[in-house]
Amino acid sequence: NAGVTQTPKFQVLKTGQSMTLQCAQDMNHEYMSWYRQDPGMGLRLIHYSVGAGITDQGEVPNGYNVSRSTTEDFPLRLLSAAPSQTSVYFCASSYVVDGNTEAFFGQGTRLTVV
Amino acid sequence: QQPVQSPQAVILREGEDAVINCSSSKALYSVHWYRQKHGEAPVFLMILLKGGEQKGHDKISASFNEKKQQSSLYLTASQLSYSGTYFCGTFYAGGTSYGKLTFGQGTILTVHP
Repeated sequence: NAGVTQTPKFQVLKTGQSMTLQCAQDMNHEYMSWYRQDPGMGLRLIHYSVGAGITDQGEVPNGYNVSRSTTEDFPLRLLSAAPSQTSVYFCASSYVVDGNTEAFFGQGTRLTVV
Repeated sequence: QQPVQSPQAVILREGEDAVINCSSSKALYSVHWYRQKHGEAPVFLMILLKGGEQKGHDKISASFNEKKQQSSLYLTASQLSYSGTYFCGTFYAGGTSYGKLTFGQGTILTVHP
């Protein structure tokens, strides 16, 4: 059982470039989400999804797009990277959206925008 | 809106106890606790549902005060392996916050021999 898989693990982008961070889970989880982690800021919610075809914004959605066409995948798109998006990104999933079940995290993607 | 954790950092010697607090200005449905080792992903510790329950996990336990919208994580007789960053995550009750798991800024716990 792979759990939550994020790719790539490391990425360097130039300002203005676009890219997609991939997240896939094989646990048939309804709920998936993206967080960014910056020193002293904790884990901040970017976007989340409560099921295929349903997405919503978190606390810091600007500059990021998401879609959820399948239960398994929840990619995060950076349309025009900025240095302020330098961060560690975590994808998480959980079985249901009711808050009663634990979240499983991927191993993270460390993104640097120069 | 992120829950607020305190303290921001704790330094202990092995065998000492610590308490990490998490508070919210919004009505909570549940509180999650996670621990993250350096360079790794956060790992689940426990969930507390509204109702004021207290849970235990080896020498780590937690409580949830629904009236005060607060949760506390208790680490007793700390071990070196307890070192890491602890996050509380909150699910808010109903409304437009459905489905949002929101985390605090984290508490860095360091245990020395």
